[in-house]
Amino acid sequence: EDQVTQSPEALRLQEGESSSLNCSYTVSGLRGLFWYRQDPGKGPEFLFTLYSAGEEKEKERLKATLTKKESFLHITAPKPEDSATYLCAVQASGTGNQFYFGTGTSLTVIP
Amino acid sequence: DGGITQSPKYLFRKEGQNVTLSCEQNLNHDAMYWYRQDPGQGLRLIYYSQIVNDFQKGDIAEGYSVSREKKESFPLTVTSAQKNPTAFYLCASKRAPGFLETQYFGPGTRLLVL
Repeated sequence: EDQVTQSPEALRLQEGESSSLNCSYTVSGLRGLFWYRQDPGKGPEFLFTLYSAGEEKEKERLKATLTKKESFLHITAPKPEDSATYLCAVQASGTGNQFYFGTGTSLTVIP
Repeated sequence: DGGITQSPKYLFRKEGQNVTLSCEQNLNHDAMYWYRQDPGQGLRLIYYSQIVNDFQKGDIAEGYSVSREKKESFPLTVTSAQKNPTAFYLCASKRAPGFLETQYFGPGTRLLVL
């Protein structure tokens, strides 16, 4: 069964304290892995797409990496405005190319 | 501006009532999706449509219905058969089902039961 698991569920960081969020997946035929940011009461906002193991993408203080079993979202020197829920999703080649979402990591950055 | 709009932002449903959530996109995307988001759970797929006048059930379609009469519009009806409708509903669209690219999401509708 296709599955996406994110950890930790919640993370509190001091401003400037770097850390990583994890997304592990078990899918048959990975086509792509996607990271989104979601603010409270709003729709998810696209951050990155990763297609193959070894690939890395960067945007400001965020860097996403991908292996054959998991992806990491590294946050370097976070600021309070980085506080949000970060969602991971995978698109598998079977079942109509559906997206499977993890439950998210709620990040709070304290000034 | 191109994007996805959902209305209303908040919707209240009485017992036994059907309600319809609106989703419109001007991105010229072929594929559209409806998800339900509950606290502590990942987004769950309700219905999706890859082309006008065609749609498929997702993982939790019971108690919901959709239509796709126009490329731009994909309304979701929450029927009285859905016994636990309180949730945050998200509409998304994508250029084409087979393309390796992201879905884009609307701002969401929060449905509450009176």
